[in-house]
Amino acid sequence: AQKVTQAQTEISVVEKEDVTLDCVYETRDTTYYLFWYKQPPSGELVFLIRRNSFDEQNEISGRYSWNFQKSTSSFNFTITASQVVDSAVYFCALSEGTNAGKSTFGDGTTLTVKP
Amino acid sequence: EAGVAQSPRYKIIEKRQSVAFWCNPISGHATLYWYQQILGQGPKLLIQFQNNGVVDDSQLPKDRFSAERLKGVDSTLKIQPAKLEDSAVYLCASSFSADSSYEQYFGPGTRLTVT
Repeated sequence: AQKVTQAQTEISVVEKEDVTLDCVYETRDTTYYLFWYKQPPSGELVFLIRRNSFDEQNEISGRYSWNFQKSTSSFNFTITASQVVDSAVYFCALSEGTNAGKSTFGDGTTLTVKP
Repeated sequence: EAGVAQSPRYKIIEKRQSVAFWCNPISGHATLYWYQQILGQGPKLLIQFQNNGVVDDSQLPKDRFSAERLKGVDSTLKIQPAKLEDSAVYLCASSFSADSSYEQYFGPGTRLTVT
């Protein structure tokens, strides 16, 4: 069975600080996909990034970067120089290749960036 | 491109009443998902459709919940009769296909309060 754990329930930082959101997953499949979604106060989850199990390259997109490590079953998300607009709930999700698109979500990390 | 549409945005009902939610996915998206999101938790899959067929409804409480996607486009989720524990946000999402590599696009959700 697939499982996603986001141990950090809430994180509060001051603007311009860097912050890392942790995600640990469990799966028996060798082919799987990991996702990060952002849920702002408006409520609509927004897709941020996808990673497949065969690609451990880290990715950077502007102030966002993702570190995927199969050895520790982790897919962590770092925001550099955080801004108030980054305040949201962030979800990590896992889809197994054999599970026809079914995603399991973690319980999310609420990030508050204070001015 | 228009996003996933849901209505209503908010609904308050008394326990034992019935309620229905509507979702229109992104045009061309074959796969449609209904999730239940309880406050402080990640989205939990209720049912997944591929076109007008059910792919997964293993977590749908079938004694009170039902869903249909008759023409393979829009979908309706119904609760009858509602219980207090059904208070949650009901999210609809769609993706291009049921392949696990595809990200999901979410609607704004319907916040249900059962009193």
